[in-house]
Amino acid sequence: DSGVTQTPKHLITATGQRVTLRCSPRSGDLSVYWYQQSLDQGLQFLIQYYNGEERAKGNILERFSAQQFPDLHSELNLSSLELGDSALYFCASSVGTMGTEAFFGQGTRLTVV
Amino acid sequence: TQLLEQSPQFLSIQEGENLTVYCNSSSVFSSLQWYRQEPGEGPVLLVTVVTGGEVKKLKRLTFQFGDARKDSSLHITAAQPGDTGLYLCAGAPSWGKLQFGAGTQVVVTP
Repeated sequence: DSGVTQTPKHLITATGQRVTLRCSPRSGDLSVYWYQQSLDQGLQFLIQYYNGEERAKGNILERFSAQQFPDLHSELNLSSLELGDSALYFCASSVGTMGTEAFFGQGTRLTVV
Repeated sequence: TQLLEQSPQFLSIQEGENLTVYCNSSSVFSSLQWYRQEPGEGPVLLVTVVTGGEVKKLKRLTFQFGDARKDSSLHITAAQPGDTGLYLCAGAPSWGKLQFGAGTQVVVTP
C-alpha cells in the first residue's frame, strides 16, 4: 500500500460527459502529480500541484483541469469526454517538488463509451 | 518523442536467465528512478540513483547510473516469474516534471 488513495477505481461514462477523479496523497506529501496511461502512449505527465499551487504542466488538454485543496487532496476534472480519453489515470504524491520519488495510487480506469 | 528512451520494449526469458534493461536520454538528470508496474496497478518505486557512476543493488536487481547522468540500466540476475512486469525509468530534467520512459515489458516464464 503506497498510502495514496484514488477514487473511484473504475468509471464508465458516455461521450460528452464530465467526471471528477479524486486523489488523497500520502500523509506529509505536499506534491500531487496526475498522469494518464493508455496502451499506445505510456505514462503521460498531465499536471503537478505543490501545496495548493500549480507547479508544472504537461500535455494536459484544455478540457481537463485540476486543483489541489487546502487539505492537500486533489481532483482532476475531465469534461466533454471523448472515446480517446479512455485510459488509466494515476495520481502520485511526493514530499518535494524537484522530481523526488513519487508514490502512486492504484489508478482510476476511465472508460468512455 | 520520449525524453527517456527505454530498450528493449519487450523481453521474454526463462526462469533463471539474466536480463538487462536500458534507459537513455540526451538530457542530464539529477537523479533517475526505476519503477515496476503490474497490470491494473500503479507503478511501485524500486530505487533512485543520484550520483554519476553509482551502482545500487536490491537483492537480484542491480541498478547503474551512467557517469554522465544521462543513462541508466537495470540488470536482473536469475530472473524469477515474480519479476514479471513493466519496468519504467523516470527522471526530472526540469523542475517538477517527473517524466517516464515508455517502459520495458518483462515476462519471465517458469
